[in-house]
Amino acid sequence: GNSVTQMEGPVTLSEEAFLTINCTYTATGYPSLFWYVQYPGEGLQLLLKATKADDKGSNKGFEATYRKETTSFHLEKGSVQVSDSAVYFCAQRGNQAGTALIFGKGTTLSVSS
Amino acid sequence: GAVVSQHPSRVICKSGTSVKIECRSLDFQATTMFWYRQFPKKSLMLMATSNEGSKATYEQGVEKDKFLINHASLTLSTLTVTSAHPEDSSFYICSASPADRPYEQYFGPGTRLTVT
Repeated sequence: GNSVTQMEGPVTLSEEAFLTINCTYTATGYPSLFWYVQYPGEGLQLLLKATKADDKGSNKGFEATYRKETTSFHLEKGSVQVSDSAVYFCAQRGNQAGTALIFGKGTTLSVSS
Repeated sequence: GAVVSQHPSRVICKSGTSVKIECRSLDFQATTMFWYRQFPKKSLMLMATSNEGSKATYEQGVEKDKFLINHASLTLSTLTVTSAHPEDSSFYICSASPADRPYEQYFGPGTRLTVT
């Protein structure tokens, strides 16, 4: 079945370091891909998304490119901040309306000053 | 816009009792709502998909008689955990898709259930 695999955490970085969180997926067809973020004590928020191959999603300095050939959607940020500390979830969803998201296990990012 | 609320945010109940969790879309009508369960250090696992006015569709392995889902209106879905046991302790999260934007999904803040 469809699934999402993302790198295990926690990821611990110093402020201004480069961030990569790997994410790969298995799917029948061509799903839409998402990164969600969950800040401490808060609900899930959509960070960015891409709906077709080679699309790049970006938001708040984060980027991810939909790579069909490697079935990947790695999250990157050039310079992390302490405020980026959160849990990041990669997810996919089929392209029919009303289809649920399938999540990876989440990666905890901790950024220190 | 597109705010989803859950109530309560935290609940502690005794083993054998039932607990109801509400999920509301505050500023939009939601034809579809989803219920997820999140275990510590685990991903969100989809429990069921709920469409307004019809029976919920449960994922494999989720007991429909234990986790009762009602989606009686376009702004409210409820999850009732019946005869709760300690192993039901978890973080329950709902999400909702707007009727006019069915490809979007907005998440509630979650409900922490602890069964003693």
